[in-house]
Amino acid sequence: EAGVTQFPSHSVIEKGQTVTLRCDPISGHDNLYWYRRVMGKEIKFLLHFVKESKQDESGMPNNRFLAERTGGTYSTLKVQPAELEDSGVYFCASSRTPPTQYFGPGTRLTVL
Amino acid sequence: AQSVTQPDIHITVSEGASLELRCNYSYGATPYLFWYVQSPGQGLQLLLKYFSGDTLVQGIKGFEAEFKRSQSSFNLRKPSVHWSDAAEYFCAVVPLSGSARQLTFGSGTQLTVLP
Repeated sequence: EAGVTQFPSHSVIEKGQTVTLRCDPISGHDNLYWYRRVMGKEIKFLLHFVKESKQDESGMPNNRFLAERTGGTYSTLKVQPAELEDSGVYFCASSRTPPTQYFGPGTRLTVL
Repeated sequence: AQSVTQPDIHITVSEGASLELRCNYSYGATPYLFWYVQSPGQGLQLLLKYFSGDTLVQGIKGFEAEFKRSQSSFNLRKPSVHWSDAAEYFCAVVPLSGSARQLTFGSGTQLTVLP
């Protein structure tokens, strides 16, 4: 069984640009979560999808972040426009039966 | 306030020595408890979890954790550390009640293993 995959592994962009991160969950996992870890801080929850619906987006920092999960399969997280404080590692996790979650390798985002 | 605390930011042990990483939580009811590990260049890997039952939980890679309700703790242990165990370890919880199903993480403990 393939694990959670994320693309790209690294992204370096300039302030004001747009970046889209992608997450492919484990097949059959209806629950998909996004988290991020900014430098020196804790891993923080961003949002939770159940199939294509946003179950909880209480952790989204502001309206520059847009998450989608069309068709209930893969998910994208778009940051537009990116700011310096958005730099960090973005993790995706999936779950067939909460609360156990399985994580992808993360996307390291650097905003210059 | 609900929180997860890992008191040790960085721990150094010699290869072959025993290891204990501490985790304390502050929740009204015992939450679901997890330990994850992030090796260099890797994602977060689930080591073990505790939901209920036997308070000593066995995980992968020779790790175990003991839940102690009286101390609100869920400490991770390994009898003999290997160089490949060098990584960052995270304790995490999910509340037992309520609609929230996301993990709340501790700040992590970085483990260095000396040869």
